[in-house]
Amino acid sequence: AQKITQTQPGMFVQEKEAVTLDCTYDTSDQSYGLFWYKQPSSGEMIFLIYQGSYDEQNATEGRYSLNFQKARKSANLVISASQLGDSAMYFCAMREGPSTGNQFYFGTGTSLTVIP
Amino acid sequence: DTGVSQDPRHKITKRGQNVTFRCDPISEHNRLYWYRQTLGQGPEFLTYFQNEAQLEKSRLLSDRFSAERPKGSFSTLEIQRTEQGDSAMYLCASSLASSLGAKETQYFGPGTRLLVL
Repeated sequence: AQKITQTQPGMFVQEKEAVTLDCTYDTSDQSYGLFWYKQPSSGEMIFLIYQGSYDEQNATEGRYSLNFQKARKSANLVISASQLGDSAMYFCAMREGPSTGNQFYFGTGTSLTVIP
Repeated sequence: DTGVSQDPRHKITKRGQNVTFRCDPISEHNRLYWYRQTLGQGPEFLTYFQNEAQLEKSRLLSDRFSAERPKGSFSTLEIQRTEQGDSAMYLCASSLASSLGAKETQYFGPGTRLLVL
């Protein structure tokens, strides 16, 4: 089974609008972390936001927020007020706790295009 | 310190040759990860170090791949007898091991793009 599933290969959003990128995960660990990364065409992975499995509130970082629904095992990224510079690949990732090897798992990514 | 650096940024080699990549992590980070990323895919875990110890290695990793981190600082990834299927972006990331369990943010380098002809 896939650890991280991103079902949207490509998304389009109008500039200044909000967009939600979907992510579901699979783990039996109680302690885990969820991450979103942005990868522009230049190739470098840029950390955006983190959500811990025990965090009761959804994480927010500027225009980024993470809609964490633990029972549904989903961790969707919401980007508000989209900008042209947001056009990039977005990857959801999970790190399980030490008991399962500290590995990071990445999804296949969603390509976001912001339309002027 | 300006972040994780990788060298070279691009490498073209002929099938059967050996290649070596270098990664310099953020100086205070004790964990270092190697990933491989092919077009249209997310990064695939290869191996990671805590200080100089290699703690985990993907079972998908061929014996032709070896990684070292001799002094717990920079790391090298060597691919022996390269094959065309090894063509990919090789990403290095570093992090500071957290006592809080899963809360550990990785910071990535720019990657080394390998093309095997």
